[in-house]
Amino acid sequence: GAVVSQHPSWVICKSGTSVKIECRSLDFQATTMFWYRQFPKQSLMLMATSNEGSKATYEQGVEKDKFLINHASLTLSTLTVTSAHPEDSSFYICSAKTRPQGSHQDTQYFGPGTRLTVL
Amino acid sequence: EDQVTQSPEALRLQEGESSSLNCSYTVSGLRGLFWYRQDPGKGPEFLFTLYSAGEEKEKERLKATLTKKESFLHITAPKPEDSATYLCAVQNSNSGYALNFGKGTSLLVTP
Repeated sequence: GAVVSQHPSWVICKSGTSVKIECRSLDFQATTMFWYRQFPKQSLMLMATSNEGSKATYEQGVEKDKFLINHASLTLSTLTVTSAHPEDSSFYICSAKTRPQGSHQDTQYFGPGTRLTVL
Repeated sequence: EDQVTQSPEALRLQEGESSSLNCSYTVSGLRGLFWYRQDPGKGPEFLFTLYSAGEEKEKERLKATLTKKESFLHITAPKPEDSATYLCAVQNSNSGYALNFGKGTSLLVTP
């Protein structure tokens, strides 16, 4: 249980184009999903919190007009990198929050990540 | 500001050689401390959540413990398939459910 998928697993695009990444919770519903970014040899940095049916909350320093987040359903959140540039090249990972069976607290389960390369 | 520091940055063990990874943290209000395993090019895989000092959890060769200042991930008789980066993260009770990650410990277990 608690499987999260991402699509695509990797993408290469030209500078100035936009790229959409999908994050799906496959066997549970998630009112809250999170988007992280990970640069080589670095840890995960939270970019934004995605709430179903409402606007995303962005972390300080993350441009909301550049990284568009849409959480249109309880199983799908999308991240669109608009006008991508080489410095946006990174590993983008989403997570979805749910409560495991038998637990009294929520846990975040992560997707497999999307490798974005901007030429 | 919340801080998570993991040590060592890298650890090389021989198969069967037990050791511990450290996660020191500073947080204004701890909702939970999480351990994840991450293989190269993949997303983190959930291992444990610890909520209060004194709590311990075990899964196969792994055991996680928690004090008010740090957490340890003990690896008993590791196997090569335990090689991965182990990430520690804290969740602040005043900041929703976002996770603040440490930089991780890269573990290599050689046969």
